[in-house]
Amino acid sequence: QVQLQESGPELVKPSETLSLTCSVSGASTSVYYWSWIRQSSGKGLEWLGFTDYSANSIYNPSFKSRVTMSVDLSKNQVSLKLTSVNAADTAVYYCARGWYQMLRGNYYHYMDVWGKGTTVTVS
Amino acid sequence: SYELTQPPSVSVSPGQTASITCFGDKLGDKYTFWYQQRPDQSPVLVIYQNDKRPSMIPERFSGSNSGNTATLTISGTQAMDEADYYCQAFWDSSVVFGGGTKLTVL
Repeated sequence: QVQLQESGPELVKPSETLSLTCSVSGASTSVYYWSWIRQSSGKGLEWLGFTDYSANSIYNPSFKSRVTMSVDLSKNQVSLKLTSVNAADTAVYYCARGWYQMLRGNYYHYMDVWGKGTTVTVS
Repeated sequence: SYELTQPPSVSVSPGQTASITCFGDKLGDKYTFWYQQRPDQSPVLVIYQNDKRPSMIPERFSGSNSGNTATLTISGTQAMDEADYYCQAFWDSSVVFGGGTKLTVL
């Protein structure tokens, strides 16, 4: 059974860096692609990007200058760093296991296992 | 940028069929994915590659995608299906989510 658990500071000051870790059990981080998605209170889902163990990353253009994702194979963890945060970055942050494949000439990516999420407040 | 449009809300009576639509330009040329999010829970994948169900998802969930519209259909809707549903596509190297549809089982 694959389980993902996000962890990190619940409170981050404006202009500082948000750092989260996703601990993975039941699956190897050397396989799959690992996404981060966030959800502001009462709002929809917003994708930040994904990465794999060899640092092949695709980031949402809206966050590209501020976001970094990486995989630590030794700890079987995935990390997210978001710099220069402000109140608009207050949200529940989810990590998710993803697939990135080509089919019918097009690439696609989706997430099949999600963590429970962690709430981060910027204040 | 690419946009996916969903109705904000859909209502259905228990036992009836619920249909949730997702509109996007030439969406039928892409794969669509659907997620269910119950209150205070994380999203769960219910449909992938337009019409495939993950193994733990009940058979009453089905999907289709053609033209500009993808549809999530829930047959014999149950009270436990009350949730927010999000469609998702991948366009220009980005994951795009629809705004979500709140399904109410009256």
